[in-house]
Amino acid sequence: DAKTTQPPSMDCAEGRAANLPCNHSTISGNEYVYWYRQIHSQGPQYIIHGLKNNETNEMASLIITEDRKSSTLILPHATLRDTAVYYCIVQHNAGNNRKLIWGLGTSLAVNP
Amino acid sequence: EPEVTQTPSHQVTQMGQEVILRCVPISNHLYFYWYRQILGQKVEFLVSFYNNEISEKSEIFDDQFSVERPDGSNFTLKIRSTKLEDSAMYFCASRPTGSAYEQYFGPGTRLTVT
Repeated sequence: DAKTTQPPSMDCAEGRAANLPCNHSTISGNEYVYWYRQIHSQGPQYIIHGLKNNETNEMASLIITEDRKSSTLILPHATLRDTAVYYCIVQHNAGNNRKLIWGLGTSLAVNP
Repeated sequence: EPEVTQTPSHQVTQMGQEVILRCVPISNHLYFYWYRQILGQKVEFLVSFYNNEISEKSEIFDDQFSVERPDGSNFTLKIRSTKLEDSAMYFCASRPTGSAYEQYFGPGTRLTVT
């Protein structure tokens, strides 16, 4: 089973920041937090990942709490094209496998 | 930008028939995966493949399923005798070696078993 808890749905106004929370209270020391998204009927798309420090890339920012039990994905200026299901996944990076275990994610609707 | 491709985009088959779903991973990637997503449900891991062998497979990946890397570019998923419950989107993913973490997914093949 997925090790994360996310709200099932969220709304955001176009142009505003979208803040998507994720709880991962049982995360262990060598596990990373990954975020992927799936736009309707398309393949999942990697967004960002982190271990302890906050991370930023061209798509988003990831804020991880100091105790690492929760994180927030921030889309700084959401557009209509950001409407998708967002998945928070916890995974350790040891070994060759690194399969992804998916939950139900958060369905983000960006409204005009 | 390199991407994972999958063919066909949609496959319709009759129950009991064999299907082969094809994927072309990104060229310098060494780890390969198949996932599936039944309509309205979670994405589910099926199998991972590295160094020409299966690294891990899920309970879903029973004897009816097999994977192959027949040449240097293709990665295939075969279902020997399809069942109605195999109807789903099947996603292929690949990952580079080393410290890279993210998996890159193809657009998926929608399999409909009638």
